Amino acid sequence: GDSVTQMEGPVTLSEEAFLTINCTYTATGYPSLFWYVQYPGEGLQLLLKATKADDKGSNKGFEATYRKETTSFHLEKGSVQVSDSAVYFCALEGVDSSYKLIFGSGTRLLVRP
Amino acid sequence: DVKVTQSSRYLVKRTGEKVFLECVQDMDHENMFWYRQDPGLGLRLIYFSYDVKMKEKGDIPEGYSVSREKKERFSLILESASTNQTSMYLCASSQWRGSNNEQFFGPGTRLTVL
Repeated sequence: GDSVTQMEGPVTLSEEAFLTINCTYTATGYPSLFWYVQYPGEGLQLLLKATKADDKGSNKGFEATYRKETTSFHLEKGSVQVSDSAVYFCALEGVDSSYKLIFGSGTRLLVRP
Repeated sequence: DVKVTQSSRYLVKRTGEKVFLECVQDMDHENMFWYRQDPGLGLRLIYFSYDVKMKEKGDIPEGYSVSREKKERFSLILESASTNQTSMYLCASSQWRGSNNEQFFGPGTRLTVL
């Protein structure tokens, strides 16, 4: 079945460092791909999404490109801030998944001043 | 501001108790979902509903049931709570049965079963 694999955390960076969080997926067809973020004490919120191959989703300085050839959707940010400290979840909605999302295990990011 | 609210942020129950977790959304969404979140496992879907009185099992429905009597409210029921149901429970809603629709999440209920 469909699945999502994320790099394990925690990822600890200094402020203004470059961030990459890896995400790869297994699915049939062309799933839609998402990144959700969970700030401490809160529920998840959508960060960005891409619905077809080579699409780039972007929001709040974060970017991710839908790479069909490598089945990846890595999250990047050029300069992280302390306020970016959170747990990041990669997710997919499969072609036949009936609007259900399949989540990766989450990657905790800690940004130090 | 759109909202999904959950009845409790923290809940402590004893083994064997019947537990109700309530979720309400104010966005007139058709779809509602219950997930549990555990460290290292991400979010796993328990049940979802795409209409009033309709429900479908997710990936881990055992030990749970749900109720959706009104469009805005989706309840998760633990008929007889067990310690392995200690977890964070997240409710979500989305607009359509079509694809690519953002799910909006509540803040979660952290349930501890003693």
